[in-house]
This record gives sequence, C-alpha cells and structure tokens, in this order.
Amino acid sequence: SAVISQKPSRDICQRGTSLTIQCQVDSQVTMMFWYRQQPGQSLTLIATANQGSEATYESGFVIDKFPISRPNLTFSTLTVSNMSPEDSSIYLCSVGRTERSYGYTFGSGTRLTVV
Amino acid sequence: ELKVEQNPLFLSMQEGKNYTIYCNYSTTSDRLYWYRQDPGKSLESLFVLLSNGAVKQEGRLMASLDTKARLSTLHITAAVHDLSATYFCAVAPQGTYKYIFGTGTRLKVLA
Repeated sequence: SAVISQKPSRDICQRGTSLTIQCQVDSQVTMMFWYRQQPGQSLTLIATANQGSEATYESGFVIDKFPISRPNLTFSTLTVSNMSPEDSSIYLCSVGRTERSYGYTFGSGTRLTVV
Repeated sequence: ELKVEQNPLFLSMQEGKNYTIYCNYSTTSDRLYWYRQDPGKSLESLFVLLSNGAVKQEGRLMASLDTKARLSTLHITAAVHDLSATYFCAVAPQGTYKYIFGTGTRLKVLA
C-alpha cells in the first residue's frame, strides 16, 4: 500500500489565519480524500481531491473555507482558512485506488489547535 | 444520506473474553473496511470486505459482512490488552469510492 507523508504534524495557529496541510504519496493514486477528526470523535469526510479539477465537497464543507489543490496523482493540499477555535481538529488525508480490493491508507494526521 | 452506526460505543472487557462489535449501515454498499486507531495515532487498516458472506481473520480478530442485512461484525476472541484501541468501520456507498466512517467503538481490555 502507499506510503503517505503529511505535513505539518501539528500546529498552533491564531484565529483568523490560514494553514495549508500537505499530503505527499510515494506512488500514483487515483483517489485522495481529506477527513477531519474532532477530539474523541469519528472521521468526517471533508472532500474528495480531484486531480486537475475542483474538489468535490461534502455537505457542510465549502471551498472558501477549505480550498483543496491536487496538481498531480501524488500530491494534494488542504487549506483551513480564516480559522476559529472550532476548527481545532486532526486533519487526515487518505489515498486509494479504484480497485475494490485496494486498501485505503491514511496519513499520520495534522493536529491543529486554533487559539 | 448514508449513516453508519456502531455499537457499542464503549467496551470494557476482561482479558480472555470474547466479544463482538457491530456495524450497521443504511444504504447499499459493496465495500466495507475495518480500521484500528490507537490514541494519538492515525488509522491502521485491518480488513476490507467486498462481498456478501465475506469473512476475514487476523489473529484474534475476525470480520464478517452481510450485505443483505447491511451489517458487519468484528469479533474478538480471547481478548488481550494489546487490542485496546478504537475500532472504526467505514462504508462506501455503491458506485462511489468515498468512505463514510462509523461512530467508532472504544475498546479497553483489562488485565
């Protein structure tokens, strides 16, 4: 399965600022996703990062708040914009392929604290 | 909208005992994953189940899938402390590639 490097691993940010999280994969993958995990909670899908086109966002998430780029099949970024304390969470990227048997893997996560 | 529910949410069990975690989902799916998450860590893939009646086993964990009942189970046999973690199931609605996660089951195995 793919190996994912996610950066930064953690950050403390001032409210009103933005943070960009990077997800680098060691091989080409078809599918890339961004999830949020609030403390003690499950994972919520933010969006599917589409290569060369706009990301597909889930209900409750918008591009202005969470712009996503995916310039190629091995790299994606998620920006958390105009942050508030409610954005404090762990953000994870996940990658996979369209083959049904291919296991989706996760990055190590970015622990974001907004103060 | 797909809903994925797990029960129990919390499970405290003695070493050596058996128990089952249940994952119910609300729409047609042909893929279901089980993941493990240790505190402060990312997710580790345990099993992928692709068809009705699929059963997979690894060590003390066995997962099964009943697509007609929209139910998956994760059975723990003779639990040991090292199995303490949070377990998630994740379901992809048929025809999609995105995964929706269940509520999670926090398992604590007492020595």
